[in-house]
Order: sequence, then C-alpha cells, then structure tokens
Amino acid sequence: AQSVTQLGSHVSVSEGALVLLRCNYSSSVPPYLFWYVQYPNQGLQLLLKYTTGATLVKGINGFEAEFKKSETSFHLTKPSAHMSDAAEYFCAVSETTSGTYKYIFGTGTRLKVLA
Amino acid sequence: GAVVSQHPSWVICKSGTSVKIECRSLDFQATTMFWYRQFPKQSLMLMATSNEGSKATYEQGVEKDKFLINHASLTLSTLTVTSAHPEDSSFYICSATAQGETQYFGPGTRLLVL
Repeated sequence: AQSVTQLGSHVSVSEGALVLLRCNYSSSVPPYLFWYVQYPNQGLQLLLKYTTGATLVKGINGFEAEFKKSETSFHLTKPSAHMSDAAEYFCAVSETTSGTYKYIFGTGTRLKVLA
Repeated sequence: GAVVSQHPSWVICKSGTSVKIECRSLDFQATTMFWYRQFPKQSLMLMATSNEGSKATYEQGVEKDKFLINHASLTLSTLTVTSAHPEDSSFYICSATAQGETQYFGPGTRLLVL
C-alpha cells in the first residue's frame, strides 16, 4: 500500500518569505499527486495536482509544486508568503481500486505566517 | 465549477439518536462519492466509497451498520450515523468525483453527540 509523508507538522515563515512544504510518497509507479488546503472548520480546497506531463505544476494562490520521480517527492512552494496562507496543507496520492481513485493523505502541515 | 455542498454544517444531538448528513454535487454528476472522518488536528480518514446505485464499500474497521451510506442519485449521497454516541463526535467531510482522479470536497459537517 502507498503511503505519504509530510515532513514537519508545523511550519512557520515570515510574511514575504519562501514557503516550502515537503511531501514524499512511496510508490514504484508514479501516482497522481495532489495538494489541498484546509482553513479552520472548512473542507479541503484543491491547490494543484500532478497527473502526467510537465513536472512543475502551478496552482492557485501562487503555489506550485514539482514532481521529482527520482526523489519520490512533490514539495509545495510559494515564493512569498501572505498572511492569508495560514492554514493546514495536505498532500495526497491516489491509487486505483477497480477503477475508483482513492486518496491516501499525509498527516498534514500547519502553516503559520508571522507578521 | 465542481462545487460540493454538505448539510447540515453542524449538528448537536443526544446520545442514541440518528443523524443524517447530506452531500450534494451542485454542478456535476458524481459517479463516486467518498466519506471521510477527521479528528481534531489530524488528517482525513476514509470511511467509505459509494457509487451511484450500488452498495458502499467500507474501509476496514468502519462499522457498516453504524454508518449507513446511501448514494441514490448522481448528485446526492447521505451518511446516517445510527444510534450516535459521544465517541462519534467528529468532523465529517464528503468528496465527489466525476469519472476522474480529482476529488472535490464539501465544507464538512461537525457532529457533536451529547
């Protein structure tokens, strides 16, 4: 079974600083990869995803992620943090079971943005 | 596009009662819907997968008779927590997909059982 590891359950950055949230997966076959953001007491919003093609994926709100097969990683970055980026971020991989794409989530990283 | 709603957004009930949570895809037909449970400051735990018109597939350790899932149409799935107890208190989130790899999530339902 696949697994997803998010290093750092809490990350703090200063406003305007680079945001780097790490995600590694375990799979011998390149999976579909996703980053979601969750604000308090809300559902998950899709930031970006990788399926095939270009390994550098751009998402909403200035976020991007790069799929690196050799490192089995899909780290999320944003050049300049904004206060509104403070939230919980989840990395997920999908695996198919009888044609259904089920997600395996990482444990999440809480991003704090300091003024 | 790809909007998923949940109702209610929060519910408080007495121990022993049943609670129904609705999940609707508002602007697309959802062939598959998923139900998750999330404990405070933790990740999402998949409870079950439901396909329209067929029985739900439950994850290991999830009680089928406790958490009844119905997916009667391509836009509606319901989760009923039967004979709820305080340990069932949690944040329940649904997601939906339309024959693709991307899941679109609802806003969640917070259940508090007294």
